[in-house]
Amino acid sequence: KNEVEQSPQNLTAQEGEFITINCSYSVGISALHWLQQHPGGGIVSLFMLSSGKKKHGRLIATINIQEKHSSLHITASHPRDSAVYICAVPSQGGSEKLVFGKGTKLTVNP
Amino acid sequence: NAGVTQTPKFQVLKTGQSMTLQCAQDMNHEYMSWYRQDPGMGLRLIHYSVGAGITDQGEVPNGYNVSRSTTEDFPLRLLSAAPSQTSVYFCASSRTGTRNQPQHFGDGTRLSIL
Repeated sequence: KNEVEQSPQNLTAQEGEFITINCSYSVGISALHWLQQHPGGGIVSLFMLSSGKKKHGRLIATINIQEKHSSLHITASHPRDSAVYICAVPSQGGSEKLVFGKGTKLTVNP
Repeated sequence: NAGVTQTPKFQVLKTGQSMTLQCAQDMNHEYMSWYRQDPGMGLRLIHYSVGAGITDQGEVPNGYNVSRSTTEDFPLRLLSAAPSQTSVYFCASSRTGTRNQPQHFGDGTRLSIL
């Protein structure tokens, strides 16, 4: 079974700062998911990536398959980015079951 | 499109009671899943389905039953509620699975077992 580690657990930043959240996993995968959980509890999918880099607005996700590591970057952070960011990977290589990291709680202060 | 709809949003049960958490999606998604989220732990998969008539166990299936008689609906049944099942439950769906499709989540059901 894949083991997922996220770091840091908690992150406090000032508005405008560049943010990096890390995710490492133990077993090779087909794709990795980044999710955002709002303070109200709702969960939305931000990215799904299997190689390289993806960008959506101020969010950038990268993955290094050989290193079994992914990063989520937020440029020019804003208080509305305050949320819990979660990465998820397949339980095993070709599995349809996802396992999740414990999440990184991000607080961006004005 | 409503997306993924979960009902109820909140529920309090007594130990031993049974109930069904409802999940419906209107996106014609084949893959549906149920997760529970507990403080200090990541989301954990309870059961999942890759299509109507097909279900399988996830990481923490004990105490829960599911069925998938239609593409749209994937109810989660607690047969005899226990305090350990106090949690926030999320239903999710995707077009074909998790390996190459983004997941769409419902708003969650907060369940307390007394």
